[in-house]
Amino acid sequence: GAVVSQHPSWVICKSGTSVKIECRSLDFQATTMFWYRQFPKQSLMLMATSNEGSKATYEQGVEKDKFLINHASLTLSTLTVTSAHPEDSSFYICSAPRLQILNTEAFFGQGTRLTVV
Amino acid sequence: ELKVEQNPLFLSMQEGKNYTIYCNYSTTSDRLYWYRQDPGKSLESLFVLLSNGAVKQEGRLMASLDTKARLSTLHITAAVHDLSATYFCAVDMWGGTSYGKLTFGQGTILTVHP
Repeated sequence: GAVVSQHPSWVICKSGTSVKIECRSLDFQATTMFWYRQFPKQSLMLMATSNEGSKATYEQGVEKDKFLINHASLTLSTLTVTSAHPEDSSFYICSAPRLQILNTEAFFGQGTRLTVV
Repeated sequence: ELKVEQNPLFLSMQEGKNYTIYCNYSTTSDRLYWYRQDPGKSLESLFVLLSNGAVKQEGRLMASLDTKARLSTLHITAAVHDLSATYFCAVDMWGGTSYGKLTFGQGTILTVHP
C-alpha cells in the first residue's frame, strides 16, 4: 500500500485564489520531504525541499512567496500555491525518503493535478 | 549542476523483443532509482541501486549501475504490452546519510505493440 499519501488528487481553482496540497508519510517519520512539479509530457523538476521545523529550501527560479511550504510535523508537509494563475496548472508530486538499513528509498505521493481557470 | 540524460526518449518495441534504456549522469553519485509512470499517475518505484555494480531484476526488467562510468541501464526482456509506460531514471543529489533529493532524466516513453 501507499506509504506517502497526497491530497487532493486533483483540484480546479479560479485565478487569484490559493490552493493547499498535503503530503503525509503514513508509517514513518520524514524530517525531509520534497516537492516536484511536472508539466505535460515533461519530466519532474524539483521545486523545493521541505524541512521539518525549519524553512524550506527552494530551487533556483521557484518563487518562495508563491509556493509556500510548511512542514509542521514529522509526517506532514503542505504546499500552498498562492494567487494561482493558469501557468501554475501542473501535476505536483511530493516525495519522502524512508531510511532503511539495506534499501533506502524515495516514495512518492499520488500527485495532485492542479488546473487554474 | 547534476545532469541526467536518458536515451532513447521514445521507444517503440515489438512484443517479444529486447531493448535497453540508458541513463547517463554528470557527477558522482552511487544512488540511482528507476521509476515507471503511467498516464495521469504518479511514480511507481521499480529499482533502487545503491552501489557500483548493483544489478536488480524484477520480471522482464533488469537494472544495473556502473558508478565509474556514471551509467545505469534498464534492460527489457521479451517485451509485453503491459510494459508500455514512461520510464524515468533519477539520481540522488545528496550523499552520506541524507537521501531523496532527486534529479530526473527526461523520461523514456515506451510503447510495446504486437
